[in-house]
Amino acid sequence: KQEVTQIPAALSVPEGENLVLNCSFTDSAIYNLQWFRQDPGKGLTSLLLIQSSQREQTSGRLNASLDKSSGRSTLYIAASQPGDSATYLCAVRPPGNTPLVFGKGTRLSVIA
Amino acid sequence: SAVISQKPSRDICQRGTSLTIQCQVDSQVTMMFWYRQQPGQSLTLIATANQGSEATYESGFVIDKFPISRPNLTFSTLTVSNMSPEDSSIYLCSATRGLGTEQYFGPGTRLTVT
Repeated sequence: KQEVTQIPAALSVPEGENLVLNCSFTDSAIYNLQWFRQDPGKGLTSLLLIQSSQREQTSGRLNASLDKSSGRSTLYIAASQPGDSATYLCAVRPPGNTPLVFGKGTRLSVIA
Repeated sequence: SAVISQKPSRDICQRGTSLTIQCQVDSQVTMMFWYRQQPGQSLTLIATANQGSEATYESGFVIDKFPISRPNLTFSTLTVSNMSPEDSSIYLCSATRGLGTEQYFGPGTRLTVT
């Protein structure tokens, strides 16, 4: 059974710092991996989607990498801003017609 | 991308009553899902809403408690039946156009049962 773990559970950094969020999954047989952002009391916003054949995806200050063989992904946020404060969720899509499997998220606070 | 809206955005309901949540996607999608997120927790999948057939429920969720409809490729409803305070959660609708594409989420419905 696929399991997704995100470390750390919470992170507090000063504004301007570069940071890395980690995601690991137990079964390397995945279709793709998606990073989401969730603000308190809100829905999820898709940040980046990485297909299993890809190594990384970039969007603005965000860069996500995928190492499928080792079961790991990282989300790199450059020059963090207070507006980046949110919970970041990692989810993998197993093969077949199956739903996403989510990690528990990393709660990020960027302090001005 | 796909834009998903949900109604209502929040509600306060009495124990024993039922609430139907509507989910509308701005374009046709292949798969639609319903999730629950309890306070401080991650997402739990309730079911996959199948067009024209019964929804596929995850372990621990049953049709009598969470009936789901999906009459077409852009709309679905989730009913929370015979509610108890334990049903207080955020309920999220989600959709994707296919396994290789992004999955999108609605803004959620915050349900409080008193």
